Amino acid sequence: AQSVTQLDSHVSVSEGTPVLLRCNYSSSYSPSLFWYVQHPNKGLQLLLKYTSAATLVKGINGFEAEFKKSETSFHLTKPSAHMSDAAEYFCVVSTYGGATNKLIFGTGTLLAVQP
Amino acid sequence: GAVVSQHPSRVICKSGTSVKIECRSLDFQATTMFWYRQFPKKSLMLMATSNEGSKATYEQGVEKDKFLINHASLTLSTLTVTSAHPEDSSFYICSARVREGVRAEAFFGQGTRLTVV
Repeated sequence: AQSVTQLDSHVSVSEGTPVLLRCNYSSSYSPSLFWYVQHPNKGLQLLLKYTSAATLVKGINGFEAEFKKSETSFHLTKPSAHMSDAAEYFCVVSTYGGATNKLIFGTGTLLAVQP
Repeated sequence: GAVVSQHPSRVICKSGTSVKIECRSLDFQATTMFWYRQFPKKSLMLMATSNEGSKATYEQGVEKDKFLINHASLTLSTLTVTSAHPEDSSFYICSARVREGVRAEAFFGQGTRLTVV
């Protein structure tokens, strides 16, 4: 079975400083991993995805994530936080098997950006 | 990216009434759509998989008679919360994929905030 664990429920950074949101995965197969962002009372927007191509994945809004098989990690980073980055972030794995591939969500990390 | 539209964005209903939420794929056809429920400050919980032209597949613990799903066309799925109670108050989100497969990303609707009074 596939699963993801987001290690921090809350992260607070100052504007202009780096962002690190941690995610570890568990999968019997080569996983397909995604990061989604959710602003308050909104739907989810895809930031980036890993699908077994390059291990360093670049996404929108300056975010990137690195797939590390040896560490079973897929941490999300950004060099310099902006106030508009304040939101909830979800690490997601896509499941194998069955008639339909499902998305399994992590518990989310709430990112606060201080001025 | 593809667009998924969800309506209404907010609804308040009286206890005991039913509420219908629509999810449309605007620029693509979706044979499969997904319905999620999100509790305050919590992650998304998959409720059911909506299959065009056939019955929905519900996750364990989700009452199929309570949450009726209809996927009558390739661009529309509806979720009806029947005989709503205050504990059904939540944020409901639908999603769809442009194509099938484990690597396919999902596109999400804007969500519906349901409040049962």
